[in-house]
Amino acid sequence: GIQVEQSPPDLILQEGANSTLRCNFSDSVNNLQWFHQNPWGQLINLFYIPSGTKQNGRLSATTVATERYSLLYISSSQTTDSGVYFCAVAYFNKFYFGSGTKLNVKP
Amino acid sequence: GAVVSQHPSWVICKSGTSVKIECRSLDFQATTMFWYRQFPKQSLMLMATSNEGSKATYEQGVEKDKFLINHASLTLSTLTVTSAHPEDSSFYICSARDSRGADTQYFGPGTRLTVL
Repeated sequence: GIQVEQSPPDLILQEGANSTLRCNFSDSVNNLQWFHQNPWGQLINLFYIPSGTKQNGRLSATTVATERYSLLYISSSQTTDSGVYFCAVAYFNKFYFGSGTKLNVKP
Repeated sequence: GAVVSQHPSWVICKSGTSVKIECRSLDFQATTMFWYRQFPKQSLMLMATSNEGSKATYEQGVEKDKFLINHASLTLSTLTVTSAHPEDSSFYICSARDSRGADTQYFGPGTRLTVL
């Protein structure tokens, strides 16, 4: 199977700070998505990004497929950004999740 | 667009009973849906791939007789936990693949199952 690793596992930020979350994967993939899981368990799709760079407000993501990693940038963090961030990759018609990064943004 | 619903959102049942969870794609057709299980403070674990009109494909270690999956239509997949035991208590999440454009998956809100 494929290995999907995320770092760091935990991250504590002061409101207003910037952060970078990383997702490494062990083989070529067809798709990569970033999700935010809120405290109620709902998974919110942030980016569909098999390659390249995308931006959506304070969030942006970059995937370098040839080097098998993706980065999620959060700028000017807010307390509502708290939660768990997952990356998931599509590999042979299945999706595999990383272990997640738990983000806590303090006021 | 691309909304996936799950029902119920939470359920409490007694040991030995069966529980059915529904997953619906509301505004698109999904030939493929996925069922995941998530333990507290852990990641999502893929349980099975549900294909419309055919048998589900289960991941290694997932008991197909315990977790029955039916994908009877292009918008509905069901997961039935049979003869539930306390160790089956978990958060179950489904997703549906929207293959119309970019091949992305959209998640339901999840179902929290507690078996007493």
